[in-house]
Amino acid sequence: DVKVTQSSRYLVKRTGEKVFLECVQDMDHENMFWYRQDPGLGLRLIYFSYDVKMKEKGDIPEGYSVSREKKERFSLILESASTNQTSMYLCASSLTASGSRGEQFFGPGTRLTVL
Amino acid sequence: DAKTTQPTSMDCAEGRAANLPCNHSTISGNEYVYWYRQIHSQGPQYIIHGLKNNETNEMASLIITEDRKSSTLILPHATLRDTAVYYCIVRAYGSSNTGKLIFGQGTTLQVKP
Repeated sequence: DVKVTQSSRYLVKRTGEKVFLECVQDMDHENMFWYRQDPGLGLRLIYFSYDVKMKEKGDIPEGYSVSREKKERFSLILESASTNQTSMYLCASSLTASGSRGEQFFGPGTRLTVL
Repeated sequence: DAKTTQPTSMDCAEGRAANLPCNHSTISGNEYVYWYRQIHSQGPQYIIHGLKNNETNEMASLIITEDRKSSTLILPHATLRDTAVYYCIVRAYGSSNTGKLIFGQGTTLQVKP
């Protein structure tokens, strides 16, 4: 089974802090994704990566950056946390971006609260 | 992007089959239908996907109509642990081909003892 792990289940940070969220997958997947999920807004894509050191902006990249130095690890960075970044953050990985092997496997999520 | 329509909520008795419908009338020929579920406060879980043939795995079966305008997810013997929000998704093949998932409102399935 694919396993996607995230560094924390719950995180509380203060406004202005730099926040690192880490995600690791163990299935040698090419593609990795960071989403945030908010009530009434569904899942929104922040960034994705289709290869090591490659990254692409999703729909809401403002205020975030990412790093993918190794294939199995995809990090989301909040440069200066703000209260409107309080959310559930979900990491996912997939073998391909689309087609018959495009199913995404999600981590358990990190619930981030910014005070 | 093809949109999907699902009932807001459904109930199912424990041990019975749960049949969850989804309409996707604007689906295009190369788009797959994916099903995920999300148990409260957990990450979404992939269930099954298909293009035009019916599919079955250890979790569920997926029945896609011949015209591909609708599909049904079948949980053959629902348990209390199947209580979750179920999302039917058609893959978003945007200009950047991100493969991003777009979750709608989904169907809240309540399995009752």
